[in-house]
Amino acid sequence: EADIYQTPRYLVIGTGKKITLECSQTMGHDKMYWYQQDPGMELHLIHYSYGVNSTEKGDLSSESTVSRIRTEHFPLTLESARPSHTSQYLCASSQTGRRTGELFFGEGSRLTVL
Amino acid sequence: AQTVTQSQPEMSVQEAETVTLSCTYDTSESDYYLFWYKQPPSRQMILVIRQEAYKQQNATENRFSVNFQKAAKSFSLKISDSQLGDAAMYFCAYRRSGAGSYQLTFGKGTKLSVIP
Repeated sequence: EADIYQTPRYLVIGTGKKITLECSQTMGHDKMYWYQQDPGMELHLIHYSYGVNSTEKGDLSSESTVSRIRTEHFPLTLESARPSHTSQYLCASSQTGRRTGELFFGEGSRLTVL
Repeated sequence: AQTVTQSQPEMSVQEAETVTLSCTYDTSESDYYLFWYKQPPSRQMILVIRQEAYKQQNATENRFSVNFQKAAKSFSLKISDSQLGDAAMYFCAYRRSGAGSYQLTFGKGTKLSVIP
């Protein structure tokens, strides 16, 4: 199994709260990603990073923000959670130079906003 | 833009039987990579099998094999001797080759049920 960890696995919070979903990997991968997985299980890329101090928005617009201060750490923050943010969030990583560039995924963080 | 289509939202298979999951993709590239990922319920998504487009030989990993038809832009996954642990969501994904092209494009997934 890949060494990429997400916390918390499950979170239930009230509207307006600030939350941070943590993602850490111990593989030394330079690239990291956040996907939002909707109830129909479709995956949407919301953020990615190609290295320290590099972050970009993905295909799906998201009110969340990310930071990449350390190679191994890629947290996602929602300043003011709303029910529409209820979803599963998957963190992934990959390594430049690995020919096929496959992603390694964490176990996911399931967020419920009441 | 590349698209990946999985036309079977749900499939079921009897234990020990064989099942094939379909995937088609649209690209103008000649060099790219294709993947099948498995996501068991409430568990980590893992890579099942990968295929490099320049390789004509179909990839195989134990009970999992692919039928890669480059001209038809088709990439189906065959699971032989299905086991209860194969029950999961399966995602087909595409990545084009070349520097700067690190993102994967995923299909919408196929939910596979295995009947004892």
